[in-house]
Amino acid sequence: DAGVIQSPRHEVTEMGQEVTLRCKPISGHDYLFWYRQTMMRGLELLIYFNNNVPIDDSGMPEDRFSAKMPNASFSTLKIQPSEPRDSAVYFCASTMRAEAFFGQGTRLTVV
Amino acid sequence: AQSVTQLDSQVPVFEEAPVELRCNYSSSVSVYLFWYVQYPNQGLQLLLKYLSGSTLVKGINGFEAEFNKSQTSFHLRKPSVHISDTAEYFCAVSKGTSGTYKYIFGTGTRLKVLA
Repeated sequence: DAGVIQSPRHEVTEMGQEVTLRCKPISGHDYLFWYRQTMMRGLELLIYFNNNVPIDDSGMPEDRFSAKMPNASFSTLKIQPSEPRDSAVYFCASTMRAEAFFGQGTRLTVV
Repeated sequence: AQSVTQLDSQVPVFEEAPVELRCNYSSSVSVYLFWYVQYPNQGLQLLLKYLSGSTLVKGINGFEAEFNKSQTSFHLRKPSVHISDTAEYFCAVSKGTSGTYKYIFGTGTRLKVLA
């Protein structure tokens, strides 16, 4: 398996634009997590899914953030409209309970 | 609710010296515990995990950790560090109520190994 795949690796966008981050989890994993990493706040759990169903989205900072998992092999995190304070590295991870495997992350810069 | 505390934000240590990175957790239920390492511009990699059984857990790259239930701690140790161990280390807890597996990470400890 190629591991957790995130795209794009880098994204630079202008304030107000819509941004979509993508994640392909490891086949067979039933949990998927989205995290945001910044110097100030460290690793924040935004939302997680179990069997494609959102379980806890209490970490999503604002209504501008939304996440979907239409099937077991794909998830998106959307920010609309984007703001400079959304600049961070966004990680996706998948697991079958005992160990979370992380993607390489998407570095988002909103200017 | 579960939480993880890593008290040391930065730990400088000389090469070949021992190191301990501290992690304390809070949870009302039994948990799984993990240590991850992050090298610059990379994702997180698993160092070791405690699920059950022996409280002393050995991981990759010579690291080990001890689960102490009474002190709710899971400190990471290495007897002799190398320059290549310079990275950020994260402690994490999962397994909550109702069989859910919500991964919560600490704020990280930046280990800097000095020559």
